Amino acid sequence: QQQVKQSPQSLIVQKGGIPIINCAYENTAFDYFPWYQQFPGKGPALLIAIRPDVSEKKEGRFTISFNKSAKQFSLHIMDSQPGDSATYFCAASTRGGSEKLVFGKGTKLTVNP
Amino acid sequence: NAGVTQTPKFQVLKTGQSMTLQCAQDMNHEYMSWYRQDPGMGLRLIHYSVGAGITDQGEVPNGYNVSRSTTEDFPLRLLSAAPSQTSVYFCASSGRGFGNQPQHFGDGTRLSIL
Repeated sequence: QQQVKQSPQSLIVQKGGIPIINCAYENTAFDYFPWYQQFPGKGPALLIAIRPDVSEKKEGRFTISFNKSAKQFSLHIMDSQPGDSATYFCAASTRGGSEKLVFGKGTKLTVNP
Repeated sequence: NAGVTQTPKFQVLKTGQSMTLQCAQDMNHEYMSWYRQDPGMGLRLIHYSVGAGITDQGEVPNGYNVSRSTTEDFPLRLLSAAPSQTSVYFCASSGRGFGNQPQHFGDGTRLSIL
């Protein structure tokens, strides 16, 4: 049973484009929604995270939009750069359950120069 | 700060062999976790620990064993390796605090079972 569904599997954009990655979840007990960025040969690194009490959070060029009623959240990357080419994972956990993240299957993003 | 250190980085085993994947963190984090990453599957939780002496099972615990005798170390043991355990294994740690604390990941151990 996949608790966090992520789409698309892969995404190719031109430099300056705005890639959007979407995730949906089933468990209404989820209370924390982080996004991780992973480069080849490296471990995932936290990019940005959101709690369901806000509908949007922005950090630099990265924005999370959150729709609690639809149980969906998405990552937008503004003015994307070739250095943003990586695999992105959405995840979810219950309150205080950071050690038990449930991950989406990942989106491989390629930003062409 | 080294953060989360995993050893070895690469390992090849034969079916039936046992081995221990090491994980150490120097951030004095209470929580530690093991995940496996397979192509197209994301990361799946194997075992986790909320403190020394306390461990619990995650989504895919079969064939793996853990213990946590110190805050710093959280080794993962493969009891009798099987080809289905070929994967990249990641260890992560996070601190205890109000709400959710970010998990910090190591760079992984790439394990092949022949």
